[in-house]
Order: sequence, then C-alpha cells, then structure tokens
Amino acid sequence: DIVMTQSPDSLAVSLGERATINCKSTQSVLYSSNNKNYLAWYQQKPGQPPKLLIYWASTRESGVPDRFSGSGSGTDFTLTISSLQAEDVAVYYCQQYYNTPRAFGQGTKLEIK
Amino acid sequence: QVQLVESGGGVVQPGRSLRLSCAASGFTFSSYGMHWVRQAPGKGLEWVAVISYDGNHKYYADSVKGRFTISRDNSENTLYLQMNSLRGEDTAVYYCAKDRGYSDVWGKGTTVTVSS
Repeated sequence: DIVMTQSPDSLAVSLGERATINCKSTQSVLYSSNNKNYLAWYQQKPGQPPKLLIYWASTRESGVPDRFSGSGSGTDFTLTISSLQAEDVAVYYCQQYYNTPRAFGQGTKLEIK
Repeated sequence: QVQLVESGGGVVQPGRSLRLSCAASGFTFSSYGMHWVRQAPGKGLEWVAVISYDGNHKYYADSVKGRFTISRDNSENTLYLQMNSLRGEDTAVYYCAKDRGYSDVWGKGTTVTVSS
C-alpha cells in the first residue's frame, strides 16, 4: 500500500506571506503511460467536508483562487499558498489516487501567526 | 446543483449494525464511481471503500474489510454502506464522495457513534 506523509504537521504563517506544505509518497504516483501524477490536495475547514483544491498534482479546481498552486512529481509534492489570507486557515490533506487504498496524508494544520 | 446528502448515522452499540445512505443529485450518478471516507473525532481523513459506476467492482480499507459492504442503486441514485460488527474505532463522520480518481464532490457527512 502507498503511504502518504505530510510535513509539517502544523504551520503558522503571517498574513500575506507564503505557506508551503509538503507531501511524500512511499512509491511513485506518476503513471508513465500518460505522464500524470495521481495526486490531489484538499482543504478542510472546521465542521465542513473536504474541498478539492488541486488534482493531477498541479491542476487547480474551478473556482479555487490562483494563490493556491501545486507542484512536484513522482513521490514528492508541494502545495503552496502564495499570499496567505485569513480564510485559508484550515487543515490541508494530500491524497494519492494511483491505486487503492486511496491513502490520505495525515493532514497539515495551517494557522495565522 | 450537484449534491450528495448522507443519512443513517446515529448511536449504536458495539457489535451491532447500521446502514448509511448517500443520495446523489445534479449529475449522472450511474456514470461515476463513489467513495466512502470517514473522519474520527479530531483525526484525519480515512478512506473506507470505493465502488465502480456499475457496482461490479468494490474495494475496501483493511480496517473494514469483511465487516462493511458498499453498494449502490443506480435507479435510485443512492449509495449505501452496510456496517456490521461495529467497533468503537468506527466512530466517525462518514462522508460519501464522487469519484473522478480524485473526489470533486463531497457530502456534508453523517455521524456514527459506537458506544454502549
């Protein structure tokens, strides 16, 4: 089974500053036949279901602000928020959809410094 | 609009059963696989099970294999999760989610509490 590990577990960033969250998989989620990374990022605010932010490692979901970006390939991925806004306070999860079980990372809690 | 609404949660004693439902609307339910994902209190997301668009393929997390059964009724646009032999560690909010590989639509969740 693929295991997803995020770092850090929690992060405090000042408003307007950059936030970076990392996600590492125990095996590559890059499918060679289509050169796509089967990696998604979700945002979850308290009392709400997860919300899809990024899929295929770097494709922003419709309606997601462009301050959110995803990068990486193979086993190492990054979610970047270029200029933190107050409404970005949340827990962020990565998930691989290369195979089942569809493992999530443990989550990264993002707060305002 | 595209919507998923879970129901069927509640308080149940250890060893008993419960069936969750997820009613889908606003999209062609029969064209998509569907997932159940759960979240224990104060914990992260745990993938539980997936079913193919036609119900012919099902996969489960090891933690629920042999106890939980995912199914669907495409004529009723409804996804189910039959949960048997429930344990305390099954206490969680259970979400259904639409499958595109990634999950682009999630329900609000239904809470299951396993306690004597």
